[in-house]
Amino acid sequence: NAGVTQTPKFRVLKTGQSMTLLCAQDMNHEYMYWYRQDPGMGLRLIHYSVGEGTTAKGEVPDGYNVSRLKKQNFLLGLESAAPSQTSVYFCASSYLTGSSYNEQFFGPGTRLTVL
Amino acid sequence: AQSVSQHNHHVILSEAASLELGCNYSYGGTVNLFWYVQYPGQHLQLLLKYFSGDPLVKGIKGFEAEFIKSKFSFNLRKPSVQWSDTAEYFCAVTPYSSASKIIFGSGTRLSIRP
Repeated sequence: NAGVTQTPKFRVLKTGQSMTLLCAQDMNHEYMYWYRQDPGMGLRLIHYSVGEGTTAKGEVPDGYNVSRLKKQNFLLGLESAAPSQTSVYFCASSYLTGSSYNEQFFGPGTRLTVL
Repeated sequence: AQSVSQHNHHVILSEAASLELGCNYSYGGTVNLFWYVQYPGQHLQLLLKYFSGDPLVKGIKGFEAEFIKSKFSFNLRKPSVQWSDTAEYFCAVTPYSSASKIIFGSGTRLSIRP
């Protein structure tokens, strides 16, 4: 199993450009998440999904959109990149056991720089 | 608002020293608790988790954590650290019934002197 994979690993954008980050998981997990990690601020949840075809906003959703057309994929889009979106982006997936939410499995991250 | 506090931002220890990293959270209901580790240049990995039962949980690589409900704390411990423990450590809390409200602490960077 590859676990959670993310593409690309690195990207440099100019202000105003758009891009899509792809996350894929092969563990048949229902839940998928996008986080950004900034120094001294831990991980902040951008958007999440509790199943195919569903998405919801997290703590810092502004400037981002997501889609979950297939259970195994979760896409994060930046329509018009801004320097404030320079960050490391992590995707994660998780699953339920009964009614208890389990730990998250993280991808390797995408380092995005917006000039 | 719910929050997770990790008061130690950077801890520097010598090899074989004992470690305790603090984690306090603010949430009144039942919670699931996690510690994750992020080695340099790598993604987060689970160290240990607490859902219910024995409040002293053991994880990988000799780490353990104790859940003290009355103090809203879930401190991470290791009796003797190694150079390879150099990493950033994140505490995370999620309400038992919610997948969307997982909250991470800001992290503690651990540096081990060989």
